[in-house]
Amino acid sequence: DAKTTQPNSMESNEEEPVHLPCNHSTISGTDYIHWYRQLPSQGPEYVIHGLTSNVNNRMASLAIAEDRKSSTLILHRATLRDAAVYYCILRRGTGNQFYFGTGTSLTVIP
Amino acid sequence: DTEVTQTPKHLVMGMTNKKSLKCEQHMGHRAMYWYKQKAKKPPELMFVYSYEKLSINESVPSRFSPECPNSSLLNLHLHALQPEDSALYLCASSQVRTSGGTDTQYFGPGTRLTVL
Repeated sequence: DAKTTQPNSMESNEEEPVHLPCNHSTISGTDYIHWYRQLPSQGPEYVIHGLTSNVNNRMASLAIAEDRKSSTLILHRATLRDAAVYYCILRRGTGNQFYFGTGTSLTVIP
Repeated sequence: DTEVTQTPKHLVMGMTNKKSLKCEQHMGHRAMYWYKQKAKKPPELMFVYSYEKLSINESVPSRFSPECPNSSLLNLHLHALQPEDSALYLCASSQVRTSGGTDTQYFGPGTRLTVL
């Protein structure tokens, strides 16, 4: 299964934008890039996903490098409720395997 | 309804006990998953059911026995567990993928298991 690499932790000031990076140099052409987050004492929740083009939804934006070997999750204005562990995951084109990387623990400073 | 429910929320059991964890979803998803999560670690995939059939077993010890009695329910039967099996057990569901990677998983809140 394809591996992702993320920084262990990051900090952001409240109401500032946050850029969470992810490296996935072994990505294959059919792999989708997914982001999930896990708030304290909760199960993971879906944030966003993409294949090649940048994506936006109500929660975040996903910027994908042209060579697809890296991506960045962008939270436009961090709030205290965004403090969580953010996981970058590659989903293969077939099968139901779903493997989490080590994730980035985001701290939001008021 | 996009909720995955898990019961119980907390479970304490001895090494000789037999217990079961339960997971339920009513989103019409035909893939269901069990994960194990130790403190400050990412979730680890244990089992995947697709159309009520076990499709993935990530070399999980036989003291963990999954069961999918119907498309909405997923159980994890526990027997003769060890203290190192203490963890958060997460259930998730999704559409069954035939191709592409666009489906998303919905997770329950987990069962916090302590083995004494």
